[in-house]
Amino acid sequence: EPEVTQTPSHQVTQMGQEVILRCVPISNHLYFYWYRQILGQKVEFLVSFYNNEISEKSEIFDDQFSVERPDGSNFTLKIRSTKLEDSAMYFCASQTGGNYGYTFGSGTRLTVV
Amino acid sequence: KNEVEQSPQNLTAQEGEFITINCSYSVGISALHWLQQHPGGGIVSLFMLSSGKKKHGRLIATINIQEKHSSLHITASHPRDSAVYICAGNFGNEKLTFGTGTRLTIIP
Repeated sequence: EPEVTQTPSHQVTQMGQEVILRCVPISNHLYFYWYRQILGQKVEFLVSFYNNEISEKSEIFDDQFSVERPDGSNFTLKIRSTKLEDSAMYFCASQTGGNYGYTFGSGTRLTVV
Repeated sequence: KNEVEQSPQNLTAQEGEFITINCSYSVGISALHWLQQHPGGGIVSLFMLSSGKKKHGRLIATINIQEKHSSLHITASHPRDSAVYICAGNFGNEKLTFGTGTRLTIIP
């Protein structure tokens, strides 16, 4: 069964540092997403990416966040200057098309200290 | 505002019991998803529904468009079914709006 792979599984970073979360989506999928889940809260949408550009972003996805698909396979989420409140589980997901189910990665737990 | 609400928040049952988790949603949904979140945090997609009923093994998902309501049923529940079950919706676009989840615990 094809998988969405996320690395690292856990990252601890100091406040103010930049972090890059990496995802390898399923190869024939066209839509890519980042979601986050703060401990004890529901999963929230961050950004969707289609045809090499952002198709939608949430209010959470401010100038501190960026996404890239640098080499046609990896899909990265960068947080430029981390804050304590960025501590969360970050999930990458991909989808072959708008009417199909999602495949989620196993998540990256980001802890900002 | 696009909303998805689930009940109950927590559910504890004995092994073998029939389980029902409910989800209601606001107007405008194009597809309803049921997801399972394991204790380690990973999320697995169980079903995507826009009408009717789907079955996979011991899991059954139904949706009633008129009542804006969906249910996830588990027959012959087993301790390995213990997880958080999440209802989420597409509201005319590809992103998902998530419910708060139902924490299911099955006691042997």
